[in-house]
Amino acid sequence: GAGVSQSPRYKVAKRGQDVALRCDPISGHVSLFWYQQALGQGPEFLTYFQNEAQLDKSGLPSDRFFAERPEGSVSTLKIQRTQQEDSAVYLCASSLRWTGPGETQYFGPGTRLLVL
Amino acid sequence: AQKITQTQPGMFVQEKEAVTLDCTYDTSDPSYGLFWYKQPSSGEMIFLIYQGSYDQQNATEGRYSLNFQKARKSANLVISASQLGDSAMYFCAMREGPGGYQKVTFGTGTKLQVIP
Repeated sequence: GAGVSQSPRYKVAKRGQDVALRCDPISGHVSLFWYQQALGQGPEFLTYFQNEAQLDKSGLPSDRFFAERPEGSVSTLKIQRTQQEDSAVYLCASSLRWTGPGETQYFGPGTRLLVL
Repeated sequence: AQKITQTQPGMFVQEKEAVTLDCTYDTSDPSYGLFWYKQPSSGEMIFLIYQGSYDQQNATEGRYSLNFQKARKSANLVISASQLGDSAMYFCAMREGPGGYQKVTFGTGTKLQVIP
């Protein structure tokens, strides 16, 4: 079946440019997560949606980062006025339900963002 | 303090041999889940195995098993009969809480290289 998809797979942006990264979760999955993965590091949590509600955005590094999931399915992570330190892989994950420590997250292939 | 610690930045293993990847965790929550993910060079995070804090038996999934030692707060991944395709980054991760709060914390990863 279809997994989590993300687009674009690669994005090169000039410093100061705005970017939008898209995530299509697995159909029917309630929970959606965004992570940022710097080179050589593990993913770092950015934000979490339960359906269309953004329940946790504590990991967003600055107010230049904004995420939405207006209809509870597709999500967009927007970065305004990109800086070089925003260069990373942005991973999206979804899970079927919203409860339980055992709920498995399924990841997309990521978007590699390079800010020049 | 680090919630997830992976002390082996890199590991080598001979093809067909078994290998253990170390993971220790830190939490005061009695209900938590531990995960291992594989990340090949393509970038996608692939779920391997899950262990719940209340599970009495160690989790196994095919060639993967999780050596869960609760008192020592360790959750080592054992890969038996290594294959060349096992070469990848491996991340240990933890989700805390009985439900609702979904943030997952990842370790810094271990790069495994399988030698023919």
